[in-house]
Amino acid sequence: NAGVTQTPKFQVLKTGQSMTLQCAQDMNHNSMYWYRQDPGMGLRLIYYSASEGTTDKGEVPNGYNVSRLNKREFSLRLESAAPSQTSVYFCASSEARRNEQFFGPGTRLTVL
Amino acid sequence: SQKIEQNSEALNIQEGKTATLTCNYTNYSPAYLQWYRQDPGRGPVFLLLIRENEKEKRKERLKVTFDTTLKQSLFHITASQPADSATYLCALDMRGNNRLAFGKGNQVVVIP
Repeated sequence: NAGVTQTPKFQVLKTGQSMTLQCAQDMNHNSMYWYRQDPGMGLRLIYYSASEGTTDKGEVPNGYNVSRLNKREFSLRLESAAPSQTSVYFCASSEARRNEQFFGPGTRLTVL
Repeated sequence: SQKIEQNSEALNIQEGKTATLTCNYTNYSPAYLQWYRQDPGRGPVFLLLIRENEKEKRKERLKVTFDTTLKQSLFHITASQPADSATYLCALDMRGNNRLAFGKGNQVVVIP
């Protein structure tokens, strides 16, 4: 089992460009999450999906959109990237709300 | 406002000693608390979960306590080894919704 996979691993964008971060899990988990991690800020939840077909905003959703394509895949889209979105993005999944979360390796995004 | 506090200063400890980390929180009433380990350049990895009605949880050389009166969790690594060097994150259930709130993490450096 690969666990949680994320693509790409690294990305550099110019201000105003758009991109989609991909996440997939092979553990048959119901819940999936997108976080960003900035120095000195810790992990902050952007969006989450409690189950297939549902998505909800987290702590810092502005500037992002998500799609829960199916049970396995949860993508994060930046429509018009801004330098403030330079960060490391982690996708995670869990079997249910109160279970441990499994994290992917992260995507390091730089917006110039 | 809600806060989760972990010591921002790295904990340097001699190999073989017990490392103790603190997670304090305010304005939360978590039903459970989790601890994660994060190595540089990698996603967090789940270690332990403790529920509000549990005082203590152990896993191999790790021990977690949870005091809902003091609003504090302690994380202990006994007989510490250089391989235990990492950043350790506490995460609180935000009761009533599908979210975990993470602390900023506390770095541990085990000196051989």
